[in-house]
Amino acid sequence: DIQMTQSPSSVSASVGDRVTFTCRASQGIGSWLAWYQQKPGKAPKVLIYAASSLQSGVPSRFSGSGSGADFTLTISSLQPEDFATYYCQQANSFPYTFGQGTKLQIK
Amino acid sequence: QVQLQESGPGLVKPSQTLSLTCTVSGGSISSGNYYWSWIRQPAGKGLEWIGRIHTSGSTNYNPSLKSRVTISVDTSNNQFSLKMSSVTAADTAVYYCARERYGSGTYHHDYWGQGTLVTVSS
Repeated sequence: DIQMTQSPSSVSASVGDRVTFTCRASQGIGSWLAWYQQKPGKAPKVLIYAASSLQSGVPSRFSGSGSGADFTLTISSLQPEDFATYYCQQANSFPYTFGQGTKLQIK
Repeated sequence: QVQLQESGPGLVKPSQTLSLTCTVSGGSISSGNYYWSWIRQPAGKGLEWIGRIHTSGSTNYNPSLKSRVTISVDTSNNQFSLKMSSVTAADTAVYYCARERYGSGTYHHDYWGQGTLVTVSS
């Protein structure tokens, strides 16, 4: 199985900050990567697919980059509704696997 | 707007079979470039992909669960289902159904159900 490792596990930030999350795959996955946001008690919501494509309806402050094994998700200016847990997921090979998540908390 | 809704027992006894159904509304389950997936999340933990089905009947399963899992589709009722046999407490989780969009260099889950908690306990 491809292991997806996210860092940091948690981060504290303030409204207006720029934050970047990292996701590393245990082997190259091309651009077969998606980022999801999950709020407590809710289903995940896709933000970014194909490593850098913004899902329709998602604010442009979210952006993704990377290919191969190293990927980043950046929020350019944090808004109050962005405090949540973020997961990366690879779709290069079965079984699909998710990172352990990065929890974004209010400072 | 596509919507997915999980249904099924919230409590299953150990060694029995977990059965869940996902009803898709707002669009035909047979239309478009989609797979239909099951994903689960134990309380306070991360997401685990269980498997998926295409309306052609093609399936893919997580090898760690494959011996116990069957995913099927009922196009006439716009539903797909999950059966997991020989459950233990380790199968206690929120179970999500999701639509996986494919094509143009991507596979990703763009619509999700709200999730349903399944507890395995006697």
